Amino acid sequence: DVKVTQSSRYLVKRTGEKVFLECVQDMDHENMFWYRQDPGLGLRLIYFSYDVKMKEKGDIPEGYSVSREKKERFSLILESASTNQTSMYLCASSEGTQETQYFGPGTRLLVL
Amino acid sequence: GENVEQHPSTLSVQEGDSAVIKCTYSDSASNYFPWYKQELGKRPQLIIDIRSNVGEKKDQRIAVTLNKTAKHFSLHITETQPEDSAVYFCADLSGGYNKLIFGAGTRLAVHP
Repeated sequence: DVKVTQSSRYLVKRTGEKVFLECVQDMDHENMFWYRQDPGLGLRLIYFSYDVKMKEKGDIPEGYSVSREKKERFSLILESASTNQTSMYLCASSEGTQETQYFGPGTRLLVL
Repeated sequence: GENVEQHPSTLSVQEGDSAVIKCTYSDSASNYFPWYKQELGKRPQLIIDIRSNVGEKKDQRIAVTLNKTAKHFSLHITETQPEDSAVYFCADLSGGYNKLIFGAGTRLAVHP
């Protein structure tokens, strides 16, 4: 049974703070993804990674960076949080590009 | 850029009725079309997917049809039950990119 976990379910940060969101998967998946989910906008891809130390920009990478130092862990970094980054952040992993993406429980981030 | 349009944004049906959600995509090279279901407060989960070499796929009460000429695909739920109430997302894997593009979602409410 695939398990994708995220470091926090809820997070409150101040504008300008550096924020780290961590995602861990236990199925040795090659691919990992970070999405943000906003009402009426669906799931928008921020960054993804095919392998350790590899990263690719998604559709909305501005204001974010990522790190994949180990295969099982994919971190999303908000260098200087802003109020427009208040959102639900979802991590996912998959074995291949045409394979099921397994999502984590999400982190609801509020930036004040 | 690539995009997926999903309609309707909300759908309300009586228990036992059928529900249909339709998505259109822009990239003619797209070749993989999954559907995800997200219950309230839960993570998205894959319910069915279809690849471009078939026109229809069924799994019990759920079916997906694909029309490559018109570039649209649809989710059909028959004999709806209250537990089908959720937000449904379509997605496509565009041919030139190894990433899913999600629709904005359809909120389905099944009333007893």
